[in-house]
Amino acid sequence: ETGVTQSPTHLIKTRGQQVTLRCSSQSGHNTVSWYQQALGQGPQFIFQYYREEENGRGNFPPRFSGLQFPNYSSELNVNALELDDSALYLCASSVQGRTEAFFGQGTRLTVV
Amino acid sequence: QQQVKQSPQSLIVQKGGISIINCAYENTAFDYFPWYQQFPGKGPALLIAIRPDVSEKKEGRFTISFNKSAKQFSLHIMDSQPGDSATYFCAASIASGTYKYIFGTGTRLKVLA
Repeated sequence: ETGVTQSPTHLIKTRGQQVTLRCSSQSGHNTVSWYQQALGQGPQFIFQYYREEENGRGNFPPRFSGLQFPNYSSELNVNALELDDSALYLCASSVQGRTEAFFGQGTRLTVV
Repeated sequence: QQQVKQSPQSLIVQKGGISIINCAYENTAFDYFPWYQQFPGKGPALLIAIRPDVSEKKEGRFTISFNKSAKQFSLHIMDSQPGDSATYFCAASIASGTYKYIFGTGTRLKVLA
């Protein structure tokens, strides 16, 4: 176990709705990254948060947004859900300045 | 240039055999190359990682071979076991800035008992 916990584990939403996913980082880790993993694909980098600010973003539209809290936990928010947003969303925690990242078990989001 | 190409897509190995998964990259700025193991319904777990200043790294039954000039690296699983059956992802990152990972497309390994 990595000590990175995500909630909920599964979620079903309707197209057009909004969703919030949560992540608690491993103790001592100050950086959280979010990835989207479509079925049968490798994870794709969404964005990273450090010191409560976005610290890099992948090729995802602005309807994907996030927050990091003073305790280093994080949220991923997705607005106006589309069917293609159905995926496993992974949170990875790390220490800024170090390359090792540890993933949570993910949240499986299904958009119908 | 940001892609990491992984092969094969799937692999079947007999118990006790050697599993070999290959990855290639283009961006010479990449300087950290981890391998992750993922079981169904779970998040990826860090298996082993290498930096380009060494050509090989071994941890137990898992070995990474790195060829900087060819821009290729591979994972070797010695004495493969049925419990190794999982999907393996290679990744690459640049050890500065966001440290974001670029993942390969994954290799589904099945080890037959």
